[in-house]
This record gives sequence, structure tokens and C-alpha cells, in this order.
Amino acid sequence: NAGVTQTPKFQVLKTGQSMTLQCAQDMNHEYMSWYRQDPGMGLRLIHYSVGAGITDQGEVPNGYNVSRSTTEDFPLRLLSAAPSQTSVYFCASTFAQGQREQFFGPGTRLTVL
Amino acid sequence: GQQLNQSPQSMFIQEGEDVSMNCTSSSIFNTWLWYKQDPGEGPVLLIALYKAGELTSNGRLTAQFGITRKDSFLNISASIPSDVGIYFCAGPEAINTGKLIFGQGTTLQVKP
Repeated sequence: NAGVTQTPKFQVLKTGQSMTLQCAQDMNHEYMSWYRQDPGMGLRLIHYSVGAGITDQGEVPNGYNVSRSTTEDFPLRLLSAAPSQTSVYFCASTFAQGQREQFFGPGTRLTVL
Repeated sequence: GQQLNQSPQSMFIQEGEDVSMNCTSSSIFNTWLWYKQDPGEGPVLLIALYKAGELTSNGRLTAQFGITRKDSFLNISASIPSDVGIYFCAGPEAINTGKLIFGQGTTLQVKP
């Protein structure tokens, strides 16, 4: 059981470039989410999904897109990177909406120049 | 929207000392979660609390769900260097959703 995996671990982008952060889980979890972590601000929810084919916005969704074509994968897309998106990104998953104990991936550290 | 306020923001203590941190909210939570984040890693769940007044231990860690349901406390006894990290409280935004709200975190440093 690999748990929640994220790739890449580090990424540097130029302003305006696009990229996809990958997230996968092998625990058959229904619920997956993306957070960003900035100093002194804890973790803020970007987007989440309650199951394949269903996604919704979190607290800070602007500039990010997601899709959920399978239960296992939940990629996060940055369409046109901005310096304000420099952050550490975490993917998390849990069994179901009622299960609050989320499991986190190791994170992707993104720098936008 | 709902917010969780953690205090203190940071602590620098001597090995062997006890540590106490807390989390407060302006609204009621039906679940309190405490996570620890080691440097360069994702958060890992330490303790989950589901009932007002509940007191739960995990080794040297003890957490309590406040009776008003608007606060929670985490205590670490006899700290050791590997306790270093960021401790987050979290709670679900609404009943039966997986959407968590996180506090700002308490950064703990332990001097050997």
C-alpha cells in the first residue's frame, strides 16, 4: 500500500507556464482534495472531489482546475502559473464524506518565477 | 466563514519539558483533529476527537475536546527532539463533509 503519492516533489515554473500536479491513492478512497500551504496560514482547500466524475471548489480555487476520471487519480492543473501560486501543495484522501481522518501525500513544492 | 485560531504560533522548549497548545473557534465543531507535520513531509493524524469532553491519549500526547465544542487542547509530556514539527488542529467545515478547516499551526522546536 503506497498510500497517497504525489509527483513531482519539486517544480520551478516561469510565469504563464502551465503544469499538472499528480496525485494518486491506492486505498480506494472516495474523497480526495488539494490543499496549499503557505507560511503562517495553515492549509487551505483548493478543490475537492467526493467521487469519480464529481469535483467542487474549496476556499481558494482561482487559477486551478481539477478533474476526477478515476477513483485513484486527482490531478491539479495550473493553467497559467503566477508568482502568487508559489506554495507547497498537498493532496489528501479519505474513505467517505463522513470520515474526517484524511491521509496526506508528501507534498509538491512549487516555485513560480 | 469558520476559522480556527491556534496558539501559540511557535514554541521553543527544552527537552523533557511538557508542552501545551490550543485551538479555538467562533463556531461549534463536532470533530477535532490534531495533525503533526514533520519538516518536508505531509501532515499525519495524531489524535481524533468526536465527543464533547472527550480526553484521548496517544503515547505522550493527550488531547481534549472542549465541552463548549469551540475549543480543543493538545498536550505533549516529556518532550523529545523528534517532537519537532508543526502541529495543526483541524475540523470539518460541515457535518458529513470531507472538507477540513485547519488552524494556522504551532511550530515546536525542542532543544536537546
